[in-house]
Amino acid sequence: DIVMTQSPDSLAVSLGERATINCKSSQSVLYSSNNKNYLAWYQQKPGQPPKLLIYWASTRESGVPDRFSGSGSGTDFTLTISSLQAEDVAVYYCHQYYNIPLTFGPGTKVDIK
Amino acid sequence: QVQLVQSGAEVRKPGASVKVSCKASGYTFTGYFINWVRQAPGQGPEWMGWINPNSGGTNYAQNFQGRVTMTRDTSITTAYMELSSLRSDDTAVYYCAKSGRDCSNTNCYSYFDLWGRGTLVTVSS
Repeated sequence: DIVMTQSPDSLAVSLGERATINCKSSQSVLYSSNNKNYLAWYQQKPGQPPKLLIYWASTRESGVPDRFSGSGSGTDFTLTISSLQAEDVAVYYCHQYYNIPLTFGPGTKVDIK
Repeated sequence: QVQLVQSGAEVRKPGASVKVSCKASGYTFTGYFINWVRQAPGQGPEWMGWINPNSGGTNYAQNFQGRVTMTRDTSITTAYMELSSLRSDDTAVYYCAKSGRDCSNTNCYSYFDLWGRGTLVTVSS
């Protein structure tokens, strides 16, 4: 199984400041035949299902604010919130869909400082 | 609108079974795989498997092999997940989630672009 790890476990950022979340996979999720990274990011607020933010490591889902961006390749990925808003308080998960079983990271909780 | 509507919360005793439904609307049900994902309290999501609504083909995570059965009824655009031999550590919110890309007939390595609101299954004696 591909194990996903995230860092930090939690972070507190001032409104308007940058938040950076890291995700590492135990093996590469880059598929060489199409040069795509099979990595997605989700946001989950209390009592709600996860919401897709980013797929193919850096493609923003329709309707997601452009302050959210994804980067990285192979085994190391980053989700950046460029200017944290109050509504961004949530837990963020990375997800690899390169191999069965599909697996998720343990989550990073983002709060306001 | 595009949505997945799940059945309501369930309480079961250890050893029993539970069947959760997921009704799709607003898109072509047979065009996209449905995945089942569970989330125990305070934990990250855990993928359980997928079903191809077009063919009925399934792929279950090893952790659930022999205990989970995924089915669908295309006439009412509904997918089902049945989990048997329930244990207390099966207590979780169970989600259905639509694959975000069209896939081959047998495999679907995809992100999830639409989720149901979840069904809480509580296993307690």
